[in-house]
Amino acid sequence: ILNVEQSPQSLHVQEGDSTNFTCSFPSSNFYALHWYRWETAKSPEALFVMTLNGDEKKKGRISATLNTKEGYSYLYIKGSQPEDSATYLCAPYSGAGSYQLTFGKGTKLSVIP
Amino acid sequence: DSGVTQTPKHLITATGQRVTLRCSPRSGDLSVYWYQQSLDQGLQFLIHYYNGEERAKGNILERFSAQQFPDLHSELNLSSLELGDSALYFCASSVATSGSTDTQYFGPGTRLTVL
Repeated sequence: ILNVEQSPQSLHVQEGDSTNFTCSFPSSNFYALHWYRWETAKSPEALFVMTLNGDEKKKGRISATLNTKEGYSYLYIKGSQPEDSATYLCAPYSGAGSYQLTFGKGTKLSVIP
Repeated sequence: DSGVTQTPKHLITATGQRVTLRCSPRSGDLSVYWYQQSLDQGLQFLIHYYNGEERAKGNILERFSAQQFPDLHSELNLSSLELGDSALYFCASSVATSGSTDTQYFGPGTRLTVL
């Protein structure tokens, strides 16, 4: 079982603030990293899939970077809005004998209007 | 709406009982995954089926079993239920098999409460 760490566990920011959080994962046998957004009372929705070291993906005000050599990814939200309030999950895909996504516990973001 | 459907939405049952959760994947998706989300736990992978065949098993208890039918819908059977089985069970589907970049589309989940 992969050890996936996300920090912080939760975060409260004011509307308009920019914020970022971290996903750490084993750098060996790395294939891809998935980011999901999970709003309360809904189901997780895919944000990004990242594969290459140095990869950067962007979707509106949300962007992510990937460092496969050291095993981490950052998710950034610029100018947070109340609708960004959600739990953000990362999930590395590892080929280390078990071809599946391993989800971290997530970072719960609350944006205060 | 992801296109993945799960029934029932809520299920309340007693310890020792058996229940079946059902999942219909998105049209065209061959892979179905089951996850469990308990209090204070992340999404725990249970099992993966591709086109009717089991492809990977995660932390699935022996009391749990699953199958994928020829029409590609899947069922997760939970038996001899215990209080600790109370959780949100998600089904997800993807177009292919164990592809590292395959996006998984999640259903709305089934909330199981064991009393």
